[in-house]
Amino acid sequence: GAVVSQHPSWVICKSGTSVKIECRSLDFQATTMFWYRQFPKQSLMLMATSNEGSKATYEQGVEKDKFLINHASLTLSTLTVTSAHPEDSSFYICSPQAASLNTEAFFGQGTRLTVV
Amino acid sequence: GESVGLHLPTLSVQEGDNSIINCAYSNSASDYFIWYKQESGKGPQFIIDIRSNMDKRQGQRVTVLLNKTVKHLSLQIAATQPGDSAVYFCAENIRGTSYGKLTFGQGTILTVHP
Repeated sequence: GAVVSQHPSWVICKSGTSVKIECRSLDFQATTMFWYRQFPKQSLMLMATSNEGSKATYEQGVEKDKFLINHASLTLSTLTVTSAHPEDSSFYICSPQAASLNTEAFFGQGTRLTVV
Repeated sequence: GESVGLHLPTLSVQEGDNSIINCAYSNSASDYFIWYKQESGKGPQFIIDIRSNMDKRQGQRVTVLLNKTVKHLSLQIAATQPGDSAVYFCAENIRGTSYGKLTFGQGTILTVHP
């Protein structure tokens, strides 16, 4: 299967600071990137979808100015949580999608964000 | 709104038993379904998928059944092992959308006792 690298795997930050999460597709070109969020004991919820070189599309209830997504290349996308607050503490997971791979979504290892 | 859901949040089985995890979906426009396994602190791991033009698909020790009439999906794990202990999610993809855009069910915690 496709190889996806996401880091950091965990991060602790202070309230008010920003955190950047990187997601790389190592053996394929990701034309589309999906970012999911998972709160403890809950399911994954799609936050946003981005296409390489375009602005991201955010799901209802997700603040685009708070969760900045950059998808400038076909192998790297970043999610920046700006001015983080404790309620942003969650597990963030990326899922890159290649145009040629029209089955089976692949996921990164996830990033556990804790805001104190 | 329409969503994917699960009947049972937890399932405990003995090692060697067969496990069945269920999932109900309500969006009739969904035509691709996937089961994922998620271990603590990790991303989802693909187990098996099925398209709406099929009603059964088998993998290694796993079988997925799809009943479109009642909008029900199940995952059967044969000879369950302690390493199968994890949270299992069903996910659906709506026809016409990117395959990577998924709606996940709530999850079932599977615990396998030695």
